[in-house]
Amino acid sequence: AQRVTQPEKLLSVFKGAPVELKCNYSYSGSPELFWYVQYSRQRLQLLLRHISRESIKGFTADLNKGETSFHLKKPFAQEEDSAMYYCALTPGAGSYQLTFGKGTKLSVIP
Amino acid sequence: DAGITQSPRHKVTETGTPVTLRCHQTENHRYMYWYRQDPGHGLRLIHYSYGVKDTDKGEVSDGYSVSRSKTEDFLLTLESATSSQTSVYFCAISAEGTEAFFGQGTRLTVV
Repeated sequence: AQRVTQPEKLLSVFKGAPVELKCNYSYSGSPELFWYVQYSRQRLQLLLRHISRESIKGFTADLNKGETSFHLKKPFAQEEDSAMYYCALTPGAGSYQLTFGKGTKLSVIP
Repeated sequence: DAGITQSPRHKVTETGTPVTLRCHQTENHRYMYWYRQDPGHGLRLIHYSYGVKDTDKGEVSDGYSVSRSKTEDFLLTLESATSSQTSVYFCAISAEGTEAFFGQGTRLTVV
């Protein structure tokens, strides 16, 4: 069975400081990895997926298969980045249901 | 925003009563999902559907049933609501190989 671990429940950083949200996963196959973001009382929305290799809102994430990690990074945090962030995976190979981590609440201090 | 709506948005119900939540999509996506979101647990999959009348259980399916009689609607039923089912419920949709789009959530309180 697959599992996604986000070790930090809460991460507080000052505006302008670098941000790294950690995500580790366990799955024996070749999963697809995602980061979803949920702003206060809004629906979840996709931030990044590893196959697209895009940078969204200044965030990037690199899949490290050796360390089974998919950490989310941003060089300079902004106040509008304050939100709940979820790392998730799908098993791939025609299976699309997401398994989520427990989430990390990012708070950017002005 | 993807065309996905959940109803009701808020509901308070009594223990032991049946409750049905509705997810409606206008995207004609094949896959539909129900998740529950709880503090300290993130989102957990309850049931999902991969086509009309084709459904399967997720991680936390006990106490829940689903039905999908047409592509656009996916219903989640709590047969006899319990306080442990107080949660925020999210529906999601996806096509094959694409990202999942989420509804705005239904806040259910069982008293």
